[in-house]
Amino acid sequence: QSALTQPASVSGSPGQSITISCTGTSSDVGSYNLVSWYQQHPGNAPKVMIYEGSTRPSGVSNRFSGSQSGNTASLTISGLQAEDEADYYCCSYAGSSTYVFGTGTKVTVL
Amino acid sequence: QVQLQESGPGLVKPSETLSLTCTVSGGSISSYYWSWMRQPPGKGLEWIGFVDYSGGTNYNPSLESRVTISVDTSKNQFSLKLTSVTAADTAIYYCARDPLSKLGAKWYFDLWGRGTLVNVFS
Repeated sequence: QSALTQPASVSGSPGQSITISCTGTSSDVGSYNLVSWYQQHPGNAPKVMIYEGSTRPSGVSNRFSGSQSGNTASLTISGLQAEDEADYYCCSYAGSSTYVFGTGTKVTVL
Repeated sequence: QVQLQESGPGLVKPSETLSLTCTVSGGSISSYYWSWMRQPPGKGLEWIGFVDYSGGTNYNPSLESRVTISVDTSKNQFSLKLTSVTAADTAIYYCARDPLSKLGAKWYFDLWGRGTLVNVFS
């Protein structure tokens, strides 16, 4: 069970859109529509932003959207705001009742 | 409002057992899957394992030989034990909830504790 691969960093200017990728295998991301995304500000616990690939929990801005193609899931943040600067982690069901997290991406708002 | 709170020693000696408890307040521990995660300082998240309300468990294969997670429904708590710790086990440990559905786990975490830092240091 290897960690899902994410870019170490992604940056964008306020108002722009950015996309974070999360690449797994046919044993995890590619086999299930069960990818979730978490936002983590420094010193805080993670907060779920997307689950089941593209579903936003109540209270999460519609600027956050998720998608998936094959073994790669993506999180898009549109209309980037300063408050979006944080670390983002994907997580997938990995079969056999296990979860696997991504390596994490630091989002910087320029 | 349901809240999770981790508790336990912040310092553990190498080769000893790390023991943490997560207390669920404002709601019942029943009918959910409860997980432990950890995050070494400056690094990413790692899922450790889960316990369900009936005591069923499943663990990360990479840690399975050293991990035990249990539940105490009478106290609305679940616990983590990690044996034979080394410096590599130094991390912030989080407890979290999988919200479940009628079909079973939802395979994401909707509720997290604030985390507790455990240092393995002699």
